[in-house]
Order: sequence, then structure tokens, then C-alpha cells
Amino acid sequence: AQSVTQLDSHVSVSEGTPVLLRCNYSSSYSPSLFWYVQHPNKGLQLLLKYTSAATLVKGINGFEAEFKKSETSFHLTKPSAHMSDAAEYFCVVTPWNQGGKLIFGQGTELSVKP
Amino acid sequence: DTGVSQDPRHKITKRGQNVTFRCDPISEHNRLYWYRQTLGQGPEFLTYFQNEAQLEKSRLLSDRFSAERPKGSFSTLEIQRTEQGDSAMYLCASTWDRENIQYFGAGTRLSVL
Repeated sequence: AQSVTQLDSHVSVSEGTPVLLRCNYSSSYSPSLFWYVQHPNKGLQLLLKYTSAATLVKGINGFEAEFKKSETSFHLTKPSAHMSDAAEYFCVVTPWNQGGKLIFGQGTELSVKP
Repeated sequence: DTGVSQDPRHKITKRGQNVTFRCDPISEHNRLYWYRQTLGQGPEFLTYFQNEAQLEKSRLLSDRFSAERPKGSFSTLEIQRTEQGDSAMYLCASTWDRENIQYFGAGTRLSVL
């Protein structure tokens, strides 16, 4: 079965410092992996998507993620945090040949201090 | 705004009552998904449609839950005889099956008293 594990339930950074949100995946096949962000009272928004074209994936708002097969990881990074980045972030995998349903991690809450 | 609309945004009901939620997907999308998100957790898959056909239902979807997508357009999710454990955010998403980037609505928050 395919799954994702987000290693931190909460991450706190200062504005202007780097962000690292960690995600490990479990998959028998080459997975499709995503990062979604959820701001309070707003819908889930796609940050970026990995589909094996390139191991380093660039997303919106300066975020990027690197797919590392040897480590089964797909960590999300941003060089410099902004106050508006404060939100809940979900690492997501979609099982192969199962209709495209998404399997979400537990989420990481990112806090950004001034 | 992703273009996926959900109605209502909030629903408060008493235990034992029936509730129905509506989702209007992006018009050209042929796949529609329902997820449930409880406090502090990631969303969990409930069911999905390809056009009007319901192709998969999660074991989370008990027989009190039913979903429809008549004519492959909007979808409804009905919960009969609601229980306090049904309190959650119900999320709808749509996509074009060749793309598989799901666009989510803002959700319907259900509170069962």
C-alpha cells in the first residue's frame, strides 16, 4: 500500500529564514507526489507535483521539492519564509492505477515568526 | 478561487437528522472526488465519480452515506441519521483524468450536535 509520512506535525521559523518540511513516502511503484497547502478557511491549493520528469520540482510562491528515491523522501523547501506562508502543508501520494485518489499525510503546521 | 463550489459552507444539525451537501466542479472536469477531513488530520478519500459513474467507495463510506452525480455535472453527498462522529469538513475536488491535478472547493463544515 502507498502512504506518506510527514515527520513534523509543527514547524516554526522566523521570517526570512529557510523552510524545510519533511515527507517520506512508501510506494511499490514510481509514485506521483504532491504538496498541497491549506490556509485557514480556504480550500486546498496545489503547491507542486512530481511525476518523474525531473527530481527537483519547482512550485508556486518560491517553494520547491526534491524527489530522492534512495531515501524515499520528498521534502519541501523554501529559501526565505514569508509571513503569508503560515498554513498547513500536506504531502500527498496518488496510488498507481486507482482512479487518481489522493492519500494525504497528517499535515505539518508552519508558523512564521516576525 | 479554484472554480469548485461547495454549498453550504457550514451546516449545524442535530444527531439523527439527514443532511445533503452539494459540489459544483469545474465544468470541463470529468472526475469528481469527495474527501473528509477531521480536526488535525489530513483529508481522507471517500468516493469518486468518472462522469456520472461512481467508480470507488471507501470503507469509510458507511451505508448511511450516499453520493450521486447525475448527468456527470454537480454531485451531492447525503448523510442519513447523522452521528456526532460525522462532524468534519467535507471536501470536494475535480479534475480532468488525463491531468490528475485535483482542484478543491472550500469545503462544507458539518457539526452534529
